[in-house]
Amino acid sequence: EVQLVESGGDLVQPGRSLRLSCTASGFSFGDYTMGWFRQAPGKGLEWVSFIRSNTYGGTTENAASVKGRFTISRDDSKSIAYLQMNSLKTEDTAVYYCTRVVGAPMAADYWGQGTLVTVSS
Amino acid sequence: QSVLTQPPSASGTPGQRVTISCSGSSSNIGSNTVNWYQQLPGTAPKLLISGNNQRPSGVPDRFSGSKSGTSASLAISGLQSEDEADYYCAAWDDSLNGVVFGGGTMLTVL
Repeated sequence: EVQLVESGGDLVQPGRSLRLSCTASGFSFGDYTMGWFRQAPGKGLEWVSFIRSNTYGGTTENAASVKGRFTISRDDSKSIAYLQMNSLKTEDTAVYYCTRVVGAPMAADYWGQGTLVTVSS
Repeated sequence: QSVLTQPPSASGTPGQRVTISCSGSSSNIGSNTVNWYQQLPGTAPKLLISGNNQRPSGVPDRFSGSKSGTSASLAISGLQSEDEADYYCAAWDDSLNGVVFGGGTMLTVL
């Protein structure tokens, strides 16, 4: 059974940093693109970042809203994906979801339960 | 303001067929496939349709997707109370080099 478990969400002040982790199980982690999405309170879904498998160079894509501030990475030996979030803003407040991503459609076929990040002074 | 445009709400009675539209442009829906997600209240989203019209394992065949030009649609036939949820369309955007979403459609089963 595919499982994705996020951790690391917290209340942080604007300008500070936070690292989210996503521990995966139930599939061959290194073979898949992994992604992060977020959902602000009462709002819709927003894509944040992707990291491709090392087969495809481990390249990353980031949403314009987080480019230069957020960095996605992966440790295939531990089946963990990370999202390093720097220079946090109040508008980054959201539930952050880790996902497995498949195919050219870049479809997120499995989602974690989410972890809440609150940016407030 | 979302890049893809969905109606904010839709409704139907049990057994009815409901469609939800998703409008985009040549840089997203016009040149890439569309995925649909279902988000039940208080839960994480779930992939409902990928690649315009492919149902992942376990998704009932009551759900179907289609695409024409720069628009896509999600159809739900034989509407059930448990279909009450938010539905989102998404696609890769070649100009923005990322995934774009619709604002979501809240489906109410009357």
